[in-house]
Amino acid sequence: QVQLVQSGAEVKWPGSSVKVSCKSSGGTFSPYAINWVRQAPGQGLEWMGGIIPIFRTADYSQKFQGRVTITADESTRTAYMELSGLTSEDTAVYYCARAGYSNYEARIDYWGQGTLVTVSS
Amino acid sequence: QSVLTQPPSVSGGPGQRVTISCTGSSSNIGAGYDVHWYQQLPGTAPKLLIYNNINRPSGVPDRFSGSKSGTSASLAITGLQAEDEAAYYCQSFDSSLSGALFGGGTKVTVL
Repeated sequence: QVQLVQSGAEVKWPGSSVKVSCKSSGGTFSPYAINWVRQAPGQGLEWMGGIIPIFRTADYSQKFQGRVTITADESTRTAYMELSGLTSEDTAVYYCARAGYSNYEARIDYWGQGTLVTVSS
Repeated sequence: QSVLTQPPSVSGGPGQRVTISCTGSSSNIGAGYDVHWYQQLPGTAPKLLIYNNINRPSGVPDRFSGSKSGTSASLAITGLQAEDEAAYYCQSFDSSLSGALFGGGTKVTVL
């Protein structure tokens, strides 16, 4: 059974950066798209971008282009999402989520538990 | 405002049928991209409910069904139960945005 375990909650100053990790266990890692999805308090789901580890290239939502960096380490089966230039509007729960195929059209079969990032002065 | 439009809320009594629409455009649902549906209970991660428009993962009750036509998709819940009270999200892919996207979400309330 696939499990995605994310790093713990973070509190960040405005203007700083945050890096969230997502470690996969069970199944295979590299062929499947890893999506990063965030959810602001009381709001809906928002796709930020993703990576397909076997292709070693990331894709980003236009909204976050230039501010987000998604990487993956196949040796440790871990994906990372780094978001810079944080503002209070980035306060949200950030999820990693594994798709069923090697593209972003595919259904998401597995979700991490979520990482709460709070941006506050 | 989401590219995929869902009603903010729907409600129904126990045993009733409710439907949730997900309206897109020619660059996403209308372009033939599949629609997937997720259920999110408060304080938890979303859970896959329907994939590729009409398919249910193992373990999802057959009270949940999906459909797709043109630039829209729908999720139907029949025999509504108290445990169905949750937020529901549609997901698809957009060729203009070159990425996945979610609907704004629909809160289902069981009266």
